[in-house]
Amino acid sequence: AQKITQTQPGMFVQEKEAVTLDCTYDTSDPSYGLFWYKQPSSGEMIFLIYQGSYDQQNATEGRYSLNFQKARKSANLVISASQLGDSAMYFCAMRGTMNRDDKIIFGKGTRLHILP
Amino acid sequence: DAGITQSPRYKITETGRQVTLMCHQTWSHSYMFWYRQDLGHGLRLIYYSAAADITDKGEVPDGYVVSRSKTENFPLTLESATRSQTSVYFCASGAGGIYEQYFGPGTRLTVT
Repeated sequence: AQKITQTQPGMFVQEKEAVTLDCTYDTSDPSYGLFWYKQPSSGEMIFLIYQGSYDQQNATEGRYSLNFQKARKSANLVISASQLGDSAMYFCAMRGTMNRDDKIIFGKGTRLHILP
Repeated sequence: DAGITQSPRYKITETGRQVTLMCHQTWSHSYMFWYRQDLGHGLRLIYYSAAADITDKGEVPDGYVVSRSKTENFPLTLESATRSQTSVYFCASGAGGIYEQYFGPGTRLTVT
């Protein structure tokens, strides 16, 4: 069975500092995708970044990067130079080729608070 | 170029009434999904569709009906709403496979 684990229910970070949100996963799929989503207090789910399991390089999107360590089955999100607007719930997620229903498996989320 | 939209954004209805939540995407994604988000349960898949006229059940389909006559639309109908269906409903679309899904803004449904 596939599983996503986010061990940090909440984090407080000073503005302008870098922050790492932890994510580990478990799957027997030979091929899979890993994602991070941001859910601000307004409620929408915003796609941030994607990493394919066969990608050789870590994904980056602006201030977001994904620290992908395949052997350790971890996919941590790094946000550089954090901003007040980064305060939100962050979900790590994955999707494998063996998913019968093509759904995305989500972790329980980490609530990030950026302090001024 | 709105991407993926949902309507209504907020809905209050009474137990036993039929309610339809609309979802529209402009990307021509073949896959579309309906999730519900509840405290303590996270996001759970209700129904999904791999293409027009192809739909299938997710993990919590009871009490819901979907249709997909056009690629861009994927309405979700609660045939006879119950209080347990009070939730935030997200529609999503994607290219399929191991690639990301894009979510609509959500519909907050309250059943009284």
